This record gives sequence, C-alpha cells and structure tokens, in this order.
Amino acid sequence: DTAVSQTPKYLVTQMGNDKSIKCEQNLGHDTMYWYKQDSKKFLKIMFSYNNKELIINETVPNRFSPKSPDKAHLNLHINSLELGDSAVYFCASSQGGGPHNEQFFGPGTRLTVL
Amino acid sequence: GQNIDQPTEMTATEGAIVQINCTYQTSGFNGLFWYQQHAGEAPTFLSYNVLDGLEEKGRFSSFLSRSKGYSYLLLKELQMKDSASYLCAAPPSSNTGKLIFGQGTTLQVKP
Repeated sequence: DTAVSQTPKYLVTQMGNDKSIKCEQNLGHDTMYWYKQDSKKFLKIMFSYNNKELIINETVPNRFSPKSPDKAHLNLHINSLELGDSAVYFCASSQGGGPHNEQFFGPGTRLTVL
Repeated sequence: GQNIDQPTEMTATEGAIVQINCTYQTSGFNGLFWYQQHAGEAPTFLSYNVLDGLEEKGRFSSFLSRSKGYSYLLLKELQMKDSASYLCAAPPSSNTGKLIFGQGTTLQVKP
C-alpha cells in the first residue's frame, strides 16, 4: 500500500525519558512534516523538511529534534519527556513544499507521558 | 495575527444538508483547505480553494470569499459515515507548506 506510515501507534512512557517516533512515506514525495494534535484537537505544525533540508521550525522546545536520513523518512526524537508532551503526533508528506500542495497524513502516534 | 475560527460542534440528520463555516485571518492568502478527520484517524484532504466561488465534488462542496475571509463546506445527502471532525486550514506563507488549522468542527449525524 502506498501511504504514510508511523511507528509506534501508541507510546506510553514516564516523564524524563527519551523516545523516538519514526515516519516513512512511499509516495515519492519530497516534503515531510510533523504535527502535534493536542487534547482540544488543534493540529499545529512543528517541523517540515524538503529533500532532507529543514524548512519549517516552529516555536518548539529544543527537546524535540527531527531527523531526515533521506527524503522518504522523517523521524522525531524527544528528550526529557514532560507531561505536556502528551498528544497525538502526525507525520505528513506532500509532493512539493508549496502552500497549495495536498498533504497526506500518517495514522498518528498517541504519546502518553505519565 | 493569524487565526482561523469555526464552530466547535454541529449536529445534523441523515439525508439532510449541513454547512460548516470558517473565517480566517492570515498574513497572506494562499488558498484555503478543508480536511476530514474521523475519530482516532488521520486527517484526509477534502478540498482546496484559491479562487472565489463554489467548487463541487460529489456530495461535498466548498465555497470561498476572499474579500470576506470566509469559507464554508457544504455536505449534502448526509450519511452516518460523515460523522467526523472537519478542519479548515490556511497556508500563511507563499513559500512553504505550513498550514494553520482551525480547531475543527465535530459533526454528528443522527438517524
């Protein structure tokens, strides 16, 4: 299936731990994104990469570090997890990094920090 | 500032028509998106409007008025499976794919 995939789907961890979420797309897109959706359902962009180059870096704590080993992968590493990091994290991709490009979202990773 | 407003919740009856409104304020206009998100699932693309007017796509239509900073999503012949959140989103920049999302309108379709 052609899609955007994320692992894991669920992640439960203790405060202070470090965790990673992986994202892969096989759509041949050159731009990938990370979004955070909080309990009020607001979807907020965190990062965007175009061909492995960081394009968008919103006001996100530096505990969050994205890494794009190639244009099909964009991983998110989170250090020293806090309670407020609990949310659903969505990866997305688009063909082209312009404002008009449809974004395809992964299934999401529900992170719960205890 | 950049802001997108839409109603939090709406309820409608199966077979009816419902209109979900969205008003936006962004630093620049680069089109207006609608996404559908079923509970526990990923958002999926519904429409993109860049010109004024109504664009129809099957049971779903999207309208844009740039002068009023206003859009709506029109859902006809409602089905139970249309129960979902509908997210209005706008790209503030002409150079990137950054999207500003509204908080979404949760639509409940009742029999």
